[in-house]
Amino acid sequence: DIQMTQSPSSLSASVGDRVTITCRASQGISNDLGWYQQKPGKAPKRLIYAASTLETGVPSRFSGSGSGTQFTLTISSLQPEDFATYYCQQHYSFPRTFGQGTKVEIK
Amino acid sequence: QDQLQQWGAGLLKPSETLSLTCGVDGGSLSGFYWSWIRQPPGKGLEWIGEINHSGDTYYNPSLKSRVSISAGTSRSQFSLRLSSVTAADTAVYYCATGGVMKGRYYYYYGADVWGQGTTVTVSS
Repeated sequence: DIQMTQSPSSLSASVGDRVTITCRASQGISNDLGWYQQKPGKAPKRLIYAASTLETGVPSRFSGSGSGTQFTLTISSLQPEDFATYYCQQHYSFPRTFGQGTKVEIK
Repeated sequence: QDQLQQWGAGLLKPSETLSLTCGVDGGSLSGFYWSWIRQPPGKGLEWIGEINHSGDTYYNPSLKSRVSISAGTSRSQFSLRLSSVTAADTAVYYCATGGVMKGRYYYYYGADVWGQGTTVTVSS
């Protein structure tokens, strides 16, 4: 199985801050990676697919980059509605594994 | 398609079989890859398995001996069965769909439509 490791596991930030979350794959996955946002009691929502393509309707303050084994999700200016848990997931091979999640909290 | 509908029993006893179905009201499922994912209380997401447009199934090895995913011929719903459940199977279960067709090829870019989630509790 491909292991997906996110860092940090949690972070505290203020509205307006730039936030970066990293996801590392245990082996190369090309750009077969998505980023999901999950709010309490809700289903996950895809933000980015193919490592860097923004889902339709997702604000442009979200961006993704990376290829191979190292990937990044960046929120350029954190907004109140962005406080949530973020997950990466690889779909390069089966099983389609998720990272452990990064919880973004209000400072 | 904004959201999938899920239904099935939410309270099971140990050793029983979990059975959930996911579908769309009066229409066809979007995408070409249909998945089940679960989330134990306070924990992260775990991919359970998927079925694709050709009927091929793929399962998480950690559950493979107990899990089965099937789809109806009408492309309106798909189902999950997990046998011999224990307390460790207590979780919110989500169905999700994804994938696009370009020309005669199919591509998967992750799940873009999700169900609302079903809380399944296993307790004696």
